[in-house]
Amino acid sequence: DQQVKQNSPSLSVQEGRISILNCDYTNSMFDYFLWYKKYPAEGPTFLISISSIKDKNEDGRFTVFLNKSAKHLSLHIVPSQPGDSAVYFCAASASQGNLIFGKGTKLSVKP
Amino acid sequence: KAGVTQTPRYLIKTRGQQVTLSCSPISGHRSVSWYQQTPGQGLQFLFEYFSETQRNKGNFPGRFSGRQFSNSRSEMNVSTLELGDSALYLCASSWGDRGNSNGYTFGSGTRLTVV
Repeated sequence: DQQVKQNSPSLSVQEGRISILNCDYTNSMFDYFLWYKKYPAEGPTFLISISSIKDKNEDGRFTVFLNKSAKHLSLHIVPSQPGDSAVYFCAASASQGNLIFGKGTKLSVKP
Repeated sequence: KAGVTQTPRYLIKTRGQQVTLSCSPISGHRSVSWYQQTPGQGLQFLFEYFSETQRNKGNFPGRFSGRQFSNSRSEMNVSTLELGDSALYLCASSWGDRGNSNGYTFGSGTRLTVV
């Protein structure tokens, strides 16, 4: 039973355009959400996070939106760059709980 | 500052053997979590240790075990290896009080191949 779902295994976007990566969750106890980026042969790197008391958090080209009623969050990357090509993982946790990850979405940004 | 260090980077074992993987967290971090990554399955949580105590555990069989030492370094052990245990094993460290608020810092992982 997957508590965090990333339904798109892959996404291809043109350089300069917006990339939108989606994530759904089922556990209403989750109160913290994070996005990680992973290159091959490396560990995931923390990208951006959002607390359940907010609906938006922005950091440079990266913005995470949280829709609690829909149990949905999304990561927007604007503008997309070829260096953004990687696998993006959505993760969620409840207080003092461990991080639960989705299966990831492979983003390809084409020049 | 030094990041999370996992050793070894690569390992090949045969079925039935046992293996021990090591993780040195960032200095000052007291929480260490272990994840298994296999193709198509994302990162699956194995267990978390905080101040030498297992705080959370995922849905893995008892062949998977771990421990944490007083210096926060952690080891995980897999006994009676199966072909399906072939995976990238990732260790992540955090402060632990509300580790997720700062994000976990991951190591580069140990690639285990069981033949």
